[in-house]
Amino acid sequence: DQQVKQNSPSLSVQEGRISILNCDYTNSMFDYFLWYKKYPAEGPTFLISISSIKDKNEDGRFTVFLNKSAKHLSLHIVPSQPGDSAVYFCAASESQMKTSYDKVIFGPGTSLSVIP
Amino acid sequence: DGGITQSPKYLFRKEGQNVTLSCEQNLNHDAMYWYRQDPGQGLRLIYYSQIVNDFQKGDIAEGYSVSREKKESFPLTVTSAQKNPTAFYLCASSWGGNIQYFGAGTRLSVL
Repeated sequence: DQQVKQNSPSLSVQEGRISILNCDYTNSMFDYFLWYKKYPAEGPTFLISISSIKDKNEDGRFTVFLNKSAKHLSLHIVPSQPGDSAVYFCAASESQMKTSYDKVIFGPGTSLSVIP
Repeated sequence: DGGITQSPKYLFRKEGQNVTLSCEQNLNHDAMYWYRQDPGQGLRLIYYSQIVNDFQKGDIAEGYSVSREKKESFPLTVTSAQKNPTAFYLCASSWGGNIQYFGAGTRLSVL
């Protein structure tokens, strides 16, 4: 049973418009969320994260919103650029205060295509 | 130039053969991880290691083995006991927090 879900396998957006990638999770113990971006033939790279004590985190064109009651988060990219075309993975973790390792659960990814 | 190097990029396994995937990092990270990615699925954790000479099983460790003799190296062996080895394998490292840094991956196929 997937604990982190990305129900849209793919998304196409016009250049300059907003891209919204969605992610849902089932484990209410998750308290830290991350987005990774992956280009073909490369490994995922960290993009942005948010702690459960916040409902929004912004970094340049990228903003992540967290709705804890709905167990939902979204990544907004504004404005979208052709270089943003990649697979985006949502990930979540449950902090374990007694150990240095926080297990991270990844979603299946959403492939974003930004059309020039 | 710091990073994580995985080799080879493509690997083919014959029936009954063990194969080893290499992962080296020069980021001075303590923790290293191996994930498997199948089409339509997220990354699933195979093994992880928080310190040299110590490692723990992840969610899908059966049919795999690892070693951590050096801080910078965490090789993964796909044994003949792994009946469905065809997948994309990703190695990652971190300094113990949530943010992991990934290599470019190895695509393993069965002949």
